[in-house]
Amino acid sequence: EAGVTQSPTHLIKTRGQQATLRCSPISGHTSVYWYQQALGLGLQFLLWYDEGEERNRGNFPPRFSGRQFPNYSSELNVNALELEDSALYLCASIPGGPYNEQFFGPGTRLTVL
Amino acid sequence: DAKTTQPTSMDCAEGRAANLPCNHSTISGNEYVYWYRQIHSQGPQYIIHGLKNNETNEMASLIITEDRKSSTLILPHATLRDTAVYYCIVRPDSGGGADGLTFGKGTHLIIQP
Repeated sequence: EAGVTQSPTHLIKTRGQQATLRCSPISGHTSVYWYQQALGLGLQFLLWYDEGEERNRGNFPPRFSGRQFPNYSSELNVNALELEDSALYLCASIPGGPYNEQFFGPGTRLTVL
Repeated sequence: DAKTTQPTSMDCAEGRAANLPCNHSTISGNEYVYWYRQIHSQGPQYIIHGLKNNETNEMASLIITEDRKSSTLILPHATLRDTAVYYCIVRPDSGGGADGLTFGKGTHLIIQP
C-alpha cells in the first residue's frame, strides 16, 4: 500500500512570492492535515480538510490557505512569502477525521530567500 | 491538552532495550497517551497509544503507571535505525483530533553501535 506522498520535495522561493505544495493521501483516506515544522521548533497544526471541506485551521494568518480535491488530494498555498515561512511542511492523512493516529508524508522543505 | 515533559536526549546501546520516559501529571480521565517518532528529515511516524492498560505492538511497548501521571515507551531491541526524536503527547479520545497534533521538543534517542 502506497503511503502519503508530497510534492515537491524541495521548494525555493523569494520573499513575496507564492508557494503551492501538494499532498496525496493514502488510498481510502478522506481526511488530510497540514503542519508546519520550522527548524528547531515542534510541529504546528495548520489546516484540516475532511471530505472536501476545511474543518479547522491553526493559529496561522490567512495567507496560508488550501483546498481538498474530490479525489481527496490536497494543496497548501502560501501567499506573500516571508523569510520565517521557511520550514518543513508535512501532510498527514487518516481514514476519516478527526483522529489522532495519523500517517505522515515525507514533507516539502520550503526555503524562502 | 495535558502538558508532557520528556528528557532532551538519551543514549542506548544497540541491541539493548531503550526506555523513554514521559511525565504527564495533569492528564485527565479521557486523555490517551500517544507516541510518535521522527527520523531525521522524515515525516513523523505513529508508534503506539494507550489509555491506562499497558499496550504492545510490533514496534514497541507502552507502560502507563497506575495513576497515569507518567509512562514509558520501550523499544525492546534497539537498532541504529531507531535513532530519532520521540514525541510523547496526550490527546482526548479519537474525537479530539480536530485541532491536529502538537509536538514539543521530544527526546532525541541516539542508538550507539
